[in-house]
Amino acid sequence: GQSLEQPSEVTAVEGAIVQINCTYQTSGFYGLSWYQQHDGGAPTFLSYNGLDGLEETGRFSSFLSRSDSYGYLLLQELQMKDSASYFCAVREAGSGAGSYQLTFGKGTKLSVIP
Amino acid sequence: DTAVSQTPKYLVTQMGNDKSIKCEQNLGHDTMYWYKQDSKKFLKIMFSYNNKELIINETVPNRFSPKSPDKAHLNLHINSLELGDSAVYFCASSQDRVSYEQYFGPGTRLTVT
Repeated sequence: GQSLEQPSEVTAVEGAIVQINCTYQTSGFYGLSWYQQHDGGAPTFLSYNGLDGLEETGRFSSFLSRSDSYGYLLLQELQMKDSASYFCAVREAGSGAGSYQLTFGKGTKLSVIP
Repeated sequence: DTAVSQTPKYLVTQMGNDKSIKCEQNLGHDTMYWYKQDSKKFLKIMFSYNNKELIINETVPNRFSPKSPDKAHLNLHINSLELGDSAVYFCASSQDRVSYEQYFGPGTRLTVT
C-alpha cells in the first residue's frame, strides 16, 4: 500500500525560512504535489514536482528526489498568513484506466509566530 | 466568480437519514472528485468522474452514491447516515483526468447526531 510521512506540527518565526519534509512509499509514482489549507478553508494547490529537482514559485519552493522517495516544501520570508496546514500528496495511478489520483499525507500544521 | 461551489455548506442530520450534497464547477473542467476529510484532517479520495463517467471508485460503503448529470455537476447522495460519516466533504475538479492541479470547493461539513 501507499504511505506518506510528514511532521504533524512545525512552528517558525515570521520572516524566517521553514522546510516541511515528506517521505512516501507507493507502488506507482507519477509526482508529488503540495496543498495549503487554512483552518475552515479548502485545500489550494501550491506546487507539483513530476521530475527530480527544485520548483520555485515566489516565496515557495518544492523539491523532489525520486530515488530517495522524498520531497520538501520550502517557505521563505514567512508571513503570519502562512499559518496553515500543508499537505504533500502523491500522484499515482487511479483505480480506473487512464486515471490518476492524489493520495494525501496527514498534513503539517505550520504556526508562524511574531 | 466561484470556481467550484458546494451546497449546503453545513448539514446537520440524524442517524438513518438520507442526504445529498451538490457540487458545481464553472471552470469548464472535464474531471471532478469527491474527497472526505475526517476530524484529524486526513483527506481521502472517494470518487472521480470524467465527462460524466465514473473513473475512480475507492473503497467506500455503497451507502454513498455519486451522480454526475453533466460534466459541470457532481452530486453525492448518502443513504442511512451513520455517526462515522461525520466529516467535511470536498468536491474538486481538474482540467482533465491527467491534470495534476485540482481545484477544491469550500467543503460541506456534515454532522450526524
